[in-house]
Amino acid sequence: QKEVEQDPGPLSVPEGAIVSLNCTYSNSAFQYFMWYRQYSRKGPELLMYTYSSGNKEDGRFTAQVDKSSKYISLFIRDSQPSDSATYLCAMSAVVTGGGNKLTFGTGTQLKVEL
Amino acid sequence: DAGVTQSPTHLIKTRGQQVTLRCSPKSGHDTVSWYQQALGQGPQFIFQYYEEEERQRGNFPDRFSGHQFPNYSSELNVNALLLGDSALYLCASSLRDSSGANVLTFGAGSRLTVL
Repeated sequence: QKEVEQDPGPLSVPEGAIVSLNCTYSNSAFQYFMWYRQYSRKGPELLMYTYSSGNKEDGRFTAQVDKSSKYISLFIRDSQPSDSATYLCAMSAVVTGGGNKLTFGTGTQLKVEL
Repeated sequence: DAGVTQSPTHLIKTRGQQVTLRCSPKSGHDTVSWYQQALGQGPQFIFQYYEEEERQRGNFPDRFSGHQFPNYSSELNVNALLLGDSALYLCASSLRDSSGANVLTFGAGSRLTVL
């Protein structure tokens, strides 16, 4: 079993829809939770960063972390064609001395259609 | 302000050869991590360098080695290439934070094809 599970999609939605992307994980040591967006032939870029449980909002994006269920979500409101990309969840644990590795999900491919 | 730069962007090698990939971190960053991303998969952690030393290592064989220079730039070396080494190799930099947070800035990657 992978430490982080993510539905690879593809997920196709109409423009303006609310998109829900999710990941589950098994390692209870994970404390930091991130969402990255990756366009084709590009490196991942950080969208959202959350420490421990709770919600965080940034414009059209909302990240939720439920550590009791080991479940994280990213919501995109009013989705746009420019949101079409692969969305990667990533997590890390606290390690003495800092400098933690990220464990990624497989990524969900999202297409927002006109 | 330049972000993370990687070279080369694309390269083709044959089985058994060796390859060196290079990375310059974002200005102000002192920590460099390398990830391997196979097609359709998420990035997998190879190793991380700080103060010119390997600080953490993922589940990769010794054929994968690296180096960090005094100016924080880094190289990834892969020996005895296998077909399965074909992937996008991503370099990520960060500023070391003893609290454990590790917000990474990624480069665009070096795409390696092994024939």
